[in-house]
Amino acid sequence: RKEVEQDPGPFNVPEGATVAFNCTYSNSASQSFFWYRQDCRKEPKLLMSVYSSGNEDGRFTAQLNRASQYISLLIRDSKLSDSATYLCAVQNTGGFKTIFGAGTRLFVKA
Amino acid sequence: GAVVSQHPSWVICKSGTSVKIECRSLDFQATTMFWYRQFPKQSLMLMATSNEGSKATYEQGVEKDKFLINHASLTLSTLTVTSAHPEDSSFYICSARDHRGGSGELFFGEGSRLTVL
Repeated sequence: RKEVEQDPGPFNVPEGATVAFNCTYSNSASQSFFWYRQDCRKEPKLLMSVYSSGNEDGRFTAQLNRASQYISLLIRDSKLSDSATYLCAVQNTGGFKTIFGAGTRLFVKA
Repeated sequence: GAVVSQHPSWVICKSGTSVKIECRSLDFQATTMFWYRQFPKQSLMLMATSNEGSKATYEQGVEKDKFLINHASLTLSTLTVTSAHPEDSSFYICSARDHRGGSGELFFGEGSRLTVL
């Protein structure tokens, strides 16, 4: 079993739609969680950190469920510019290693 | 946010040659840097953790003699792909944590796309 698993998609949604991604992790000792965005042939860029209490940044909402070992990302009012691959990342104790999921591809169409 | 710079951004080389990739933290000191490799449509795979002033820690299945890592200063780590072969063609990305603040997220260099002919 992979340490971090994501549905690869692709998710094809119209502009304005709400879309949600889930990510599961196997190491219950993981401490920090993140969502990154990666555009084609570019490096990943941090989208948001994920806190136990959940957090929101504009149209983006991230949730963490430690009991079930999954994190989620909700994108509301999708824009064309949201088209990208979304990577979840899990960091172990002390932050010495960050493991990434394979990414979920999102296509937002007009 | 913190800035990590990587060079070269792309390189094409002949099979059997060695290629060096540099990773620099521009506005912070990084005692630890991480090297990832990403094949098309696949995940970022952690290759090794680069430790300033000591040996790198390699992930299982990564050949330390083939992927030489040197972290000689607090702002520079280098990855050398020795005797490169076509199967080494990939997107190599370095990253570092900025310990000054934030929640420990990684900041990435721009990546180096290696093509071995």
